[in-house]
Amino acid sequence: KAGVTQTPRYLIKTRGQQVTLSCSPISGHRSVSWYQQTPGQGLQFLFEYFSETQRNKGNFPGRFSGRQFSNSRSEMNVSTLELGDSALYLCASSSVGGRYDLNYGYTFGSGTRLTVV
Amino acid sequence: DQQVKQNSPSLSVQEGRISILNCDYTNSMFDYFLWYKKYPAEGPTFLISISSIKDKNEDGRFTVFLNKSAKHLSLHIVPSQPGDSAVYFCAASRGGVYSSNTGKLIFGQGTTLQVKP
Repeated sequence: KAGVTQTPRYLIKTRGQQVTLSCSPISGHRSVSWYQQTPGQGLQFLFEYFSETQRNKGNFPGRFSGRQFSNSRSEMNVSTLELGDSALYLCASSSVGGRYDLNYGYTFGSGTRLTVV
Repeated sequence: DQQVKQNSPSLSVQEGRISILNCDYTNSMFDYFLWYKKYPAEGPTFLISISSIKDKNEDGRFTVFLNKSAKHLSLHIVPSQPGDSAVYFCAASRGGVYSSNTGKLIFGQGTTLQVKP
């Protein structure tokens, strides 16, 4: 079955602009989580969506937001981009995002590489 | 405050030998631990997980050991192969009956494994 699809793969934006990233989870998966990977901070949890509702949120400013659609596809948006937002943004999907899923791990996409100039 | 730590940034082993990757954690509320492998420009790939009620879990060449009293886990790869060369991340999850931590993994900084032919 198809894996987790993230688009676009690469993106270059200017400071102050906004950006929207997309994630299509594995068919049948209803939980989508987003992570930011930077050399300094490593992999950090942004938020998690399930059935179009944000259930969990990490410690990121309000400029980072997301949403999930009825088909479980998710988007994340970063407004007023800063140079420090340059990172690899990863999404992960799982059946329901709960502890049972941890036996099989969450499945990650290949990520979107965002560069802010 | 880094709750999951991988103190060795890199490890080099000979093909056919055992690779041992280590991870320490500070939060005793973590109840699931996972290992992921990551190649450059790709998302993390799930390898193996272990629940806090167990002390060992095996899957083929991969074995994870959990020492709760020491808050330490390790991943053993036997035998190591050149294709295992990648960055390995340890991750932890804090669940519970009334979990508000759905979809959230806390990652270590990663260890780069090089397996030499």
